[in-house]
Amino acid sequence: EAGVTQFPSHSVIEKGQTVTLRCDPISGHDNLYWYRRVMGKEIKFLLHFVKESKQDESGMPNNRFLAERTGGTYSTLKVQPAELEDSGVYFCASSHSTGEQFFGPGTRLTVL
Amino acid sequence: GIQVEQSPPDLILQEGANSTLRCNFSDSVNNLQWFHQNPWGQLINLFYIPSGTKQNGRLSATTVATERYSLLYISSSQTTDSGVYFCAVTPSGGYNKLIFGAGTRLAVHP
Repeated sequence: EAGVTQFPSHSVIEKGQTVTLRCDPISGHDNLYWYRRVMGKEIKFLLHFVKESKQDESGMPNNRFLAERTGGTYSTLKVQPAELEDSGVYFCASSHSTGEQFFGPGTRLTVL
Repeated sequence: GIQVEQSPPDLILQEGANSTLRCNFSDSVNNLQWFHQNPWGQLINLFYIPSGTKQNGRLSATTVATERYSLLYISSSQTTDSGVYFCAVTPSGGYNKLIFGAGTRLAVHP
């Protein structure tokens, strides 16, 4: 069984540009989560999808971040326009029902 | 919101030594997970343990939910155990988001 996959593994962009991160959850997992770890800080929750619906988006930092999960399969997280403080590692996780969450390898985002 | 505290923040061991990592949380939880972040940054699931005791090889974990703590035991440590160990919980009564502790950074020397 394939794990959670994320693309790209690394992204380097300039301030003001747009970046889109993709996450493919484990097949059959209706729950999909985004987290991030910015430099020197803890891993923080961003949002939670159940199928294609946003269950909880309380962790989204501001309206420059847009997450979608069309069709309830893969998800994208777009940052537009990117700021310096958005640099960090963005993790995606998925779970079956409300159980154990399994994480992808992360996308390391650097905003210059 | 719920607070998750891990101790110690840093730990240095000689290969073969045993260790105990602790995770305290400030409120009741539905779920608790332990992760190992390897040198490549990947979060590897160790245990899904909202209560009770589980063992997997040289690692074992115990969660005492009524007293709001969990322990991760590493026996006969190996250099490959190095990395950061995270505890994460999902608070009771809310959605399923994980709240992470700051982690314990473990270095095992040969």
